[in-house]
Amino acid sequence: NAGVTQTPKFQVLKTGQSMTLQCAQDMNHNSMYWYRQDPGMGLRLIYYSASEGTTDKGEVPNGYNVSRLNKREFSLRLESAAPSQTSVYFCASSRGTLNSYEQYFGPGTRLTVT
Amino acid sequence: DAKTTQPTSMDCAEGRAANLPCNHSTISGNEYVYWYRQIHSQGPQYIIHGLKNNETNEMASLIITEDRKSSTLILPHATLRDTAVYYCTGEYGNKLVFGAGTILRVKS
Repeated sequence: NAGVTQTPKFQVLKTGQSMTLQCAQDMNHNSMYWYRQDPGMGLRLIYYSASEGTTDKGEVPNGYNVSRLNKREFSLRLESAAPSQTSVYFCASSRGTLNSYEQYFGPGTRLTVT
Repeated sequence: DAKTTQPTSMDCAEGRAANLPCNHSTISGNEYVYWYRQIHSQGPQYIIHGLKNNETNEMASLIITEDRKSSTLILPHATLRDTAVYYCTGEYGNKLVFGAGTILRVKS
């Protein structure tokens, strides 16, 4: 039981390049999330998927797109990377979005945009 | 506007109880309070959550004031491995909102 896995672990991009961050969970959870964490700050929600087939914007969605490929997988795409997107990206999953469902986090992807 | 406010940092002696406070005065009546921690640069780890009543699990205890405007996370016997950033979060509109957290340093 791997929990939440993320690929890649590290990535360096040049400004304007695109890439997709992958996330998968094996806990049969309904809800999945993407967060970013900048140095010395807490996590900020980018997008989330309450259930398979649905996605919604979080606090900082600009510059990102997401796809809930199936119940297990939730990807985050940067179409044209900018230095301001340098951050650590965490994926999380939970049984549901409401009322007492704790979230389980992946190990993170460390992205640098030069 | 901040959803939760926590001290920037705290120190605790190894083996003693660590009491981490949090103010969440804008939380709604049916929204849970959650605590997570983050060790080094790992993904955050769930600790405990509660709505109105005090809660206890194998990791910690959570004390929520009767007016629900604040809570305290208690690690009963802190160890060096409990050194981490502790986040008190609120469930606002189906989403968790994380603040900057409290850096807890457990010292021998």
